[in-house]
Amino acid sequence: DAGITQSPRHKVTETGTPVTLRCHQTENHRYMYWYRQDPGHGLRLIHYSYGVKDTDKGEVSDGYSVSRSKTEDFLLTLESATSSQTSVYFCATLAGTGANTGELFFGEGSRLTVL
Amino acid sequence: DAKTTQPTSMDCAEGRAANLPCNHSTISGNEYVYWYRQIHSQGPQYIIHGLKNNETNEMASLIITEDRKSSTLILPHATLRDTAVYYCIVRGPNTGNQFYFGTGTSLTVIP
Repeated sequence: DAGITQSPRHKVTETGTPVTLRCHQTENHRYMYWYRQDPGHGLRLIHYSYGVKDTDKGEVSDGYSVSRSKTEDFLLTLESATSSQTSVYFCATLAGTGANTGELFFGEGSRLTVL
Repeated sequence: DAKTTQPTSMDCAEGRAANLPCNHSTISGNEYVYWYRQIHSQGPQYIIHGLKNNETNEMASLIITEDRKSSTLILPHATLRDTAVYYCIVRGPNTGNQFYFGTGTSLTVIP
């Protein structure tokens, strides 16, 4: 358990409102990730971070932005939420960064509903 | 990036071995095969990984074919708690530290 906390765990919001999901880790892991999970699509990578202020896009980054001002926090922001962003969002951290190191630790997920 | 292909779903009798296949025919020589599983609505959990040799740990065994184009995750004595979605991922220098999960195989262990 890498001590990953996601907040909020559940949120209902309306179309057009901004939403920020927070991921907090206590293991000082360098890499952090945001995924979304939808039926029929599995887990899809939104954005990831490889250090403070260092982020990059994943496979479904449109409509999302991220920030990492501290090692322990990785924020996912929906500037103007749409119904298509209704999903379960998972944060993860990576223990180690070598090619032979691949243990991701996941948070418990944040369920977002956009009405 | 090497992509993986997995069956959508499988069943296995409780107590029997569960063999989950994964095809990664475009894998490069320096790419590793990783397996994760996701139980119900929890976050995915790491199981095992390997490069070309077979690997075993307390959870499972990983068998990689000699040409490395496919692999099989083996749960030797499946229990009801092994019912989950299993993801096969290929990762290496080209993918860096990005992990692409796909849709995985939904394994149901039947009493």
